[in-house]
Amino acid sequence: DSGVTQTPKHLITATGQRVTLRCSPRSGDLSVYWYQQSLDQGLQFLIQYYNGEERAKGNILERFSAQQFPDLHSELNLSSLELGDSALYFCASSEGGPLHFGNGTRLTVT
Amino acid sequence: DAKTTQPPSMDCAEGRAANLPCNHSTISGNEYVYWYRQIHSQGPQYIIHGLKNNETNEMASLIITEDRKSSTLILPHATLRDTAVYYCIVRFWNSGNTPLVFGKGTRLSVIA
Repeated sequence: DSGVTQTPKHLITATGQRVTLRCSPRSGDLSVYWYQQSLDQGLQFLIQYYNGEERAKGNILERFSAQQFPDLHSELNLSSLELGDSALYFCASSEGGPLHFGNGTRLTVT
Repeated sequence: DAKTTQPPSMDCAEGRAANLPCNHSTISGNEYVYWYRQIHSQGPQYIIHGLKNNETNEMASLIITEDRKSSTLILPHATLRDTAVYYCIVRFWNSGNTPLVFGKGTRLSVIA
């Protein structure tokens, strides 16, 4: 158990809809990272927050956004969903050393 | 971060040592070598990391060559549960809060 909790585990929704994925980092970790893993793609970095502030941005679409709250949990918002957004979404946290990953949210867009 | 090169796949007999190589010929002096693995759609799992010296923990050993241009992850007694994709990643030592960049990794199959 990495200590990183992601909810929900599975999400099925229709094209055009909006969803929110939630991540609770390990206790004391200030950094939260979001990654996307599609069937035919590797792990793609999306965005990172550190203590509530955006720290780094990767291949995140404009339809996607994230935030980190004062209690350090983070949410990833995906809107105007397309079939190609179907993927595993992972959250990771760190205190400055290795990243520790949750077990992901599997999003299926129909 | 520097790039790494890993073989796409490897097989290992159960109970034998699995030796996973990684080339990182452009690594700079202040970059660590990290190893992660991902077991069938689970979240990536941290294994070990090192800078210059060889490292060992309860999961694996990491051997880094003297010139630091390559490394080997050793699973001493592979089991079927070690079947996974293994990722070798280099990362600046003072980049405590920067993301990891994953490549394609090595798919290790442990065979009974």
